[in-house]
Parts: sequence; C-alpha cells; structure tokens
Amino acid sequence: NAGVTQTPKFQVLKTGQSMTLQCAQDMNHEYMSWYRQDPGMGLRLIHYSVGAGITDQGEVPNGYNVSRSTTEDFPLRLLSAAPSQTSVYFCASSSGTPKNYGYTFGSGTRLTVV
Amino acid sequence: ILNVEQSPQSLHVQEGDSTNFTCSFPSSNFYALHWYRWETAKSPEALFVMTLNGDEKKKGRISATLNTKEGYSYLYIKGSQPEDSATYLCASHSGGGADGLTFGKGTHLIIQP
Repeated sequence: NAGVTQTPKFQVLKTGQSMTLQCAQDMNHEYMSWYRQDPGMGLRLIHYSVGAGITDQGEVPNGYNVSRSTTEDFPLRLLSAAPSQTSVYFCASSSGTPKNYGYTFGSGTRLTVV
Repeated sequence: ILNVEQSPQSLHVQEGDSTNFTCSFPSSNFYALHWYRWETAKSPEALFVMTLNGDEKKKGRISATLNTKEGYSYLYIKGSQPEDSATYLCASHSGGGADGLTFGKGTHLIIQP
C-alpha cells in the first residue's frame, strides 16, 4: 500500500516555465488537496477536490490549476512559474469522512523557481 | 479564510516533563479539529480528529481535548521523550467538511535530554 505518492521530489524551474506536480493515491480516497509550505506561513491550501470531476479553490490558488479526472490522481499545474512559487508542496488525501480519519500526506515536492 | 492560531510558537521541554500547547479556532460553523505531528524531513502525520464538544482523545502519552463553544483545543504530552521532538499542527475546516484544511503555524517542540 503506497499511500500518497508525489513526484518529483525536487525540481528547479526557470521563471516562466510550466510544469505539473504529480499526486497519486491508492487508497480510493475521495478527498484530495494541495498545500504549500513556506517559512513562517504554515501549510496553506491551494486547491482541493471532493471527488473525480470536482475541484475548488483554496486560500492561495493564483498561478495554479488542477483537474481530477480519476479518483487516484490529482495533478497540480504551474502555468508560468514565478519565484514566489518557490515552496514545498504537499498533496494529501482522505476518505469520504475526513472528520473520522484525517488526511494522509505525501512526502512533498521541493520546488525552486529561479 | 479561517484564523487558526497556535501557541506557543516554540517550546523547549526537559525530558521526562509533561507539557501542553493550545490551538484556537473559530467556533462558528465548526466541523472538525485535526492535530498532526510533523517531524523534520517527513510528512505530517495525523494524530487526532475531534468533532464533539468535550471530546478527549489519547494515543500513548499524547492526548487532546476540544472545546467547540469557546473555540480551543489543548494537546498534552506526558513524560516527554526525545522522540516527541516535532512540530505539532492543528487544523480546522471552514465548514461542512467538504473543503480542505486551514492550518495553524504549528508549535515546534524540542525535548532536551
């Protein structure tokens, strides 16, 4: 049981480049979400999904797109990378009742935009 | 956007001592309160999820309480050990549970041998 898998673990981008951070879970969880972690800011919600085909914006969605075509996958797209998007990104998933089970986090992707 | 606050920001505790720290959150539209343990170079790991006023949960030497009417939760660690050193995060939903979590900035706990 792999849990939540994020790829890549590390990435360096040039300003203006685009890329997709991958997130996959094998637990048949309905709820998935993306967070970024910056020093002194804690974890902030970027986008979330309550099931395949359904996504919504979190606290800091600008510059990011998501889609949820399958239950398993929830990729995060950076359309035109900016230095302000340098951060550690975490994907998390939960069963249909997050108040019972909490969220399982991936190991994170450390992104640097130069 | 919810305002979830944790205090203190950091805490140094002698091995063997007990300690506690606080999470405050908006009491209106409360759905659930989560506690996570986050060790350096690892991912956050769920400790507790609490939903009812007066809830108390325990896992080994760690326990938590919840007051939804006044909007606070306490995390207690009894007989601290070096392996308890971590950042402890609390988080709440903004409503209905259909959204993601709003996290506090965490309490960074260092256990000194």
